[in-house]
Amino acid sequence: NFMLTQPHSVSESPGKTITISCTRSSGSIASNYVQWYQQRPGSGPTTVIYDDDQRPSGVPDRFSGSIDSSSNSASLIISGLQTEDEADYYCQSYDSGNSDVVFGGGTKLTVV
Amino acid sequence: QVQLQESGPGLVKPSQTLSLTCTVSGGSISSGSSYWNWIRQPAGKGLEWIGRIYTSDSTNYTPSLKSRVTMSLDTSTNQFSLRLSSVTAADTAVYYCARASPRYWFDSWGQGTLVTVSS
Repeated sequence: NFMLTQPHSVSESPGKTITISCTRSSGSIASNYVQWYQQRPGSGPTTVIYDDDQRPSGVPDRFSGSIDSSSNSASLIISGLQTEDEADYYCQSYDSGNSDVVFGGGTKLTVV
Repeated sequence: QVQLQESGPGLVKPSQTLSLTCTVSGGSISSGSSYWNWIRQPAGKGLEWIGRIYTSDSTNYTPSLKSRVTMSLDTSTNQFSLRLSSVTAADTAVYYCARASPRYWFDSWGQGTLVTVSS
């Protein structure tokens, strides 16, 4: 089973751009799609990125996703940060080897 | 837009079985290529996938919980269910039901229900 490692927390000012990384411990990051979920305090998760770089309808284009095989990681990029972006963000993928879903540990984003 | 709603006891005694139901509205549980999942989140911690059910005889469970988990589907009521046996305090969490694509994108989530394991 592989792990997805995220930074525990990140902080940036409104209007800036931030990148949250998600590094796969073994196997290729490109082997299975990566999703990103936003979870605000007291609420359930909602999708901001699916299939590595796709945005669901209704998600602002300030949110984008990518994968990088050289670092074996996925990234969530949020530009033009707004205070409403403050939340926990989780990456998620699938382990084909043992039919298991893997979540990253989550990253707390603070916009100050 | 499909909607999901969890229901079940909020308090379960240690060693007993946790039972939850997810009611799906706005779409049929037996249509298309949707997979029906349970995910949990202990307070202050991250998300843990429990498992999924596709048809009544097609299930996948996370290896760490496989020996204690059973999922079922009821197409007549458009519901699916989770049973987790021999619970301990470590099973205390908010439990979410969610719909997923075949590529494991969880596109619709319930609001979550807190289950506490305590005597």
